[in-house]
Amino acid sequence: QSALTQPPSASGSPGQSVTISCTGTNSDVGGYKYVSWFQQQPGKAPKLMIYEVSKRPSGVPDRFSGSTSGNTASLTVSGLQADDEGTYYCSSYGGTNKGAFGGGTKLTVL
Amino acid sequence: QVQLVQSGSELEKPGASVKVSCRASGYTFTGPSINWVRQAPGQGLEWMGFINTKSGKPTYAQDLIGRFVFSLDTSVSTAYLQISSLEAEDTAVYYCAKDRAYFAFDIWGQGTLVTVSS
Repeated sequence: QSALTQPPSASGSPGQSVTISCTGTNSDVGGYKYVSWFQQQPGKAPKLMIYEVSKRPSGVPDRFSGSTSGNTASLTVSGLQADDEGTYYCSSYGGTNKGAFGGGTKLTVL
Repeated sequence: QVQLVQSGSELEKPGASVKVSCRASGYTFTGPSINWVRQAPGQGLEWMGFINTKSGKPTYAQDLIGRFVFSLDTSVSTAYLQISSLEAEDTAVYYCAKDRAYFAFDIWGQGTLVTVSS
């Protein structure tokens, strides 16, 4: 069982927006501003999409945004494109030498 | 460019050992930690721990049994994951990843498939 809880699936039509949640505790998501989101497409290594809750690495489109509220973090993908399909994982720093991933959410573009 | 290149796939028998390498290039190796993440077939990501590239001190995830060892050779900018007494349940893709800070893994290796089968 993952330390962080994500819905197993999400979907949306091209151009729409979709939000994926990631629920932890006040010992990880709620306690630190260090939530990251990763996209993994089949057969590939994960790719960092968001770090420190809402920051985007260079090259990640601004259609991807992150936020937190209490013990829940969210990733929003707006203007959905076919290439956004994949599995999205959240992760959170949990204090000294601790960390965890969520179970992953498979995003389907209809 | 900044990259991590891992060693190739391994097929081992139960009880054997395996050592996966992760060679860094394009940045100062002795800085950001190197983390290890595994992914069993069809499953999600599991954080295994990290190694401090300045001190060489490894830190393992709490539920990781003591068959896993992280090490470094800074002279060749390479991190290693050694797994001993392999079990079928160790079959997975193992990734190394560079941590820019606080679990923001910005650079990943391509993954190494370790298959344990008799």
